[in-house]
Amino acid sequence: EAGVAQSPRYKIIEKRQSVAFWCNPISGHATLYWYQQILGQGPKLLIQFQNNGVVDDSQLPKDRFSAERLKGVDSTLKIQPAKLEDSAVYLCASRSPRGQRVMSGANVLTFGAGSRLTVL
Amino acid sequence: ELKVEQNPLFLSMQEGKNYTIYCNYSTTSDRLYWYRQDPGKSLESLFVLLSNGAVKQEGRLMASLDTKARLSTLHITAAVHDLSATYFCAVAKMNYGGSQGNLIFGKGTKLSVKP
Repeated sequence: EAGVAQSPRYKIIEKRQSVAFWCNPISGHATLYWYQQILGQGPKLLIQFQNNGVVDDSQLPKDRFSAERLKGVDSTLKIQPAKLEDSAVYLCASRSPRGQRVMSGANVLTFGAGSRLTVL
Repeated sequence: ELKVEQNPLFLSMQEGKNYTIYCNYSTTSDRLYWYRQDPGKSLESLFVLLSNGAVKQEGRLMASLDTKARLSTLHITAAVHDLSATYFCAVAKMNYGGSQGNLIFGKGTKLSVKP
């Protein structure tokens, strides 16, 4: 099966500019996550969708970050305006429906390659 | 609040040696994941541990879970250079009703295996 697709892979912007990242999850995966991974740290959840509804956005800086998943498939994460501390890799992940086993384990999150953002 | 701690954060090993990475977590969960990340790459799923006493092995890596102690270990046997990477453990938050929420990641253990 095709993996989680993300674009762009790299983006360099100046502070106060805006940027958008796109994610296409694995077909049939109802749950989609956006994680932020700052260099040298583990990924931190920004937002979780179940189909097109938000399940958890408690750690999303809503004054500058927004995300949507209008048709329950693709998702877009936007940052406006960007700050220096937003420099990170933005990882999209998707998960199979509850109870469906994927490869060697149930409910495994599959990550995309990530979008690396540098804010100057 | 669920917290996940890994140790050590940095590990330099010689080829052929054995070592263990530890992952402690603060609240009840029965789903623990181990991921591998190579520099500049995304996360690759290694193991999913779903119950107390679960043990899984793949090649030179073996993972185990003790839900009572809230501890998982990743044991490396006879390390080889190809195992050099950063290893993350992640614990699933469990929602009311028992469904799985998001994953809380540790800071990662950067493993370097030298000849």
